[in-house]
Amino acid sequence: AQSVTQPDIHITVSEGASLELRCNYSYGATPYLFWYVQSPGQGLQLLLKYFSGDTLVQGIKGFEAEFKRSQSSFNLRKPSVHWSDAAEYFCAVESGGGADGLTFGKGTHLIIQP
Amino acid sequence: GAVVSQHPSRVICKSGTSVKIECRSLDFQATTMFWYRQFPKQSLMLMATSNEGSKATYEQGVEKDKFLINHASLTLSTLTVTSAHPEDSSFYICSAKNLGQGGYTEAFFGQGTRLTVV
Repeated sequence: AQSVTQPDIHITVSEGASLELRCNYSYGATPYLFWYVQSPGQGLQLLLKYFSGDTLVQGIKGFEAEFKRSQSSFNLRKPSVHWSDAAEYFCAVESGGGADGLTFGKGTHLIIQP
Repeated sequence: GAVVSQHPSRVICKSGTSVKIECRSLDFQATTMFWYRQFPKQSLMLMATSNEGSKATYEQGVEKDKFLINHASLTLSTLTVTSAHPEDSSFYICSAKNLGQGGYTEAFFGQGTRLTVV
């Protein structure tokens, strides 16, 4: 069975500083990987996704993520965070068949301090 | 991207009553829809997968008689929480995809429904 681990429950970053949110997955083959952001009481917004090809993927709002097969990781990064980035971030994996739902990590709560 | 509309966004119901949540794909045919549940400050857990015209497949531990899923058309799936109790209070989110095109297609999420049972 596939699984996703987000080891950091909370992360606090100063506004303007860089950000890296960690995500490790467990899956037998190359999965499809996603990062979503969720503001309080809201639905999910897709930040970026990786299916194949270039292992560094660019997303919306200045986010990027790098797929590292050797480390089973798909970490999310942003060079300079803004106060509006404060939210819950979820990493998710989907099997290659596409007929199954997504498996989500437990999420990382990002706090931005002035 | 494609649009999935979920309705209502918020609902409060009395304990013992039933509540229906709708998930519509507005600009594509959703052969497959997924229903997730999210408890406060927790992750999303897949409840069930429904394919148009077929019975839903429920994840282990999800009561199919409590959470009735209907996917009668290619644009609409409904989740009915029957005889709701306070412990059913949660955030319910649907997603939809079209598996009829061949190859991989991603799922698109609705905005979620906050259910509060009092």
